[in-house]
Parts: sequence; structure tokens; C-alpha cells
Amino acid sequence: QVQLQESGPGLVKPSETLSLTCTVSGGSVSSGSYYWSWIRQPPGKGLEWIGYIYYSGSTNYNPSLKSRVTISVDTSKNQFSLKLSSVTAADTAVYYCARDGANWNDPPFDYWGQGTLVTVSS
Amino acid sequence: DIQLTQSPSFLSASVGDRVTITCRASQGISSYLAWYQQKPGKAPKLLIYAASTLQSGVPSRFSGSGSGTEFTLTISSLQPEDFATYYCQQLNSYLFTFGPGTKVDIK
Repeated sequence: QVQLQESGPGLVKPSETLSLTCTVSGGSVSSGSYYWSWIRQPPGKGLEWIGYIYYSGSTNYNPSLKSRVTISVDTSKNQFSLKLSSVTAADTAVYYCARDGANWNDPPFDYWGQGTLVTVSS
Repeated sequence: DIQLTQSPSFLSASVGDRVTITCRASQGISSYLAWYQQKPGKAPKLLIYAASTLQSGVPSRFSGSGSGTEFTLTISSLQPEDFATYYCQQLNSYLFTFGPGTKVDIK
């Protein structure tokens, strides 16, 4: 059974960098069959896709966040990570990591982490 | 960017009701649409992908249809565990946008 688990600070100061890691178990981030994504959800609001990474290191980011986002992968630890720079209160959200099938006919976002709330506040 | 709208945004229904939620895309997305169910405090759960393919393990009372710009999610007989918020998502472009959600509440 594939499991994803987010980890990282729950409180980040304005203007600093938010850093989260997603640890994958029961599957491999080195698999060429999947993309590995980050999605966020502000309290009481809808879902926003942040970006994804492929095992090769290729990435795709939401243009609205692209200038501040970096997603990386560590195949030796079976993890992928998110960095979001220059955060403001608007970045306060539950952050999810998820697995996305790489082929058009594969299930998208079929496994998700439980989510972690990150609050931006001084 | 491809925008998604959902209607209704809120729906009040009873157990046993047939429920239909509509998702419209601002431009054609073929069948690259998925539906998710989210309960409070939980991650979204994939229900339907490729517009009409039922994800493994999802009850058959859920079904999806449509292509191009108009899509529907139907719950044939609403069960108590189905009260939740439902989101559509387009995967046609490299910007994977979600719809604003439809909350299904108990009448």
C-alpha cells in the first residue's frame, strides 16, 4: 500500500521560505510511471495545484507560483520536497503531497498524504 | 489558463436521492477530467478519472460523463457517507486546475 507523509515546520515567518518534505513508502519516487505533486488548500477554501516533479528531476510549476517554488526529489531517501520562498499570510494553507500517474490513461492523484497545516505569521 | 466552474456550489439532499453535479471548462479538455470527494480534515479522494472511469474501490453508485467542456458527476443513490465536498480537476493542460467545489449537505 502506497503511503505519503508530509513533514516540516507548521509555522513560518513572513518573507521566509516554507520547506516541506514528502516521504513515500510502499512505492518508489524513482518509478517512471508517476509524477509527484504538491497541492495546497487555504483554510475553508478550494484546492490549488502547486507543481510536480518526475524522478528524472524535470518539473512543472503553477505559473502563479513559479517564481517562488522549487520542487526537488531525493531518490536515495524516497522523498520529494517543496520550497516556497518569500511567503506571506496568503500562503497559509494545508499542504498535500500526492502521486499522479504519468500516462494519460493512468489514475491521477490516486494517493495523497494526510496534509500538513502551514501558518505564515510573525 | 483553463478555468473550471461547478454547479451548484451547494446542494442539500436526502439519503437515497439521485444527485448530479456539473463541471464546465472554459475551453475544451477532451476527457481529461477527474472528480474528487473531500471530507472535513481529510485529503481528497479520487472517484472518477478520464471523465468516466471509476477509480478502483469506489462504489458503483458514482458515475461520470461528458467530454469537451461539460461534465457531470452523478451519485445514483446518496448514502450517509457521501455527504462531502466534490471537486472536479482538469488535466488537459500542464496547469492542473481544480473547480471551486460543490458541498453536498444533508437536507
